[in-house]
Amino acid sequence: QVQLVESGGGVVQPGRSLRLSCAASGFTFSNYGMHWVRQAPGKGLEWVAVIADDGRDKKHADSVRGRFTISRDNPKNTLYLQMNSLRVEDTAVYYCAKDRAVAAAAYDFDSWGQGTLVTVSS
Amino acid sequence: EIVLTQSPATLSLSPGERAILSCRASQTISNKLAWYQQKPGQAPRLLIYDASNRATGIPARFSGSGSGTDFTLTISSLEPEDFAVYYCQQRSTWPGITFGQGTRLEIK
Repeated sequence: QVQLVESGGGVVQPGRSLRLSCAASGFTFSNYGMHWVRQAPGKGLEWVAVIADDGRDKKHADSVRGRFTISRDNPKNTLYLQMNSLRVEDTAVYYCAKDRAVAAAAYDFDSWGQGTLVTVSS
Repeated sequence: EIVLTQSPATLSLSPGERAILSCRASQTISNKLAWYQQKPGQAPRLLIYDASNRATGIPARFSGSGSGTDFTLTISSLEPEDFAVYYCQQRSTWPGITFGQGTRLEIK
């Protein structure tokens, strides 16, 4: 079955960088768009970024554009989120999520990882 | 940006009762709406996509309806495991995918 396992979270000071990873298994990773979605403590869900199945097309939310970059390594079945210039308001659980549709992205999410917590604090 | 407004914020019901959750979009989104369930300490789970299609493995007591700006998630007869937070999500237009603020379904 589909498995998504995030890693790389932790405590980081404002202005610093962090890279999250998401290891995927149980499906043909290179056939699906992938997303990052975050959830601040006690709050709702916020979509962060999407990357197409071949990695060529990427989109980022306004709140992170210019600071975060989504990428993927299809031979390694791994999704990444490079987070630079981190802010206190980026504190959240970060989930990687698989797009529901093959090839043409549906932009909804049928499988999720367990999440990794990023805490930005001085 | 399209804003999704969910109501009520909290819904208190008993097992066996019918639950009706609402999601209203600030502009028309056709049928490009999904519903998710999230339990404490867990990742969200996709229930409904394209407004009315049940995701794989989702019980038939969950149903979705609506188009344009007004959408509904109905749980026909609540089971104990259905008490959770429910989010709607739109994928209609860029600049972005947005979620509603959530409805907490609690045991009365």
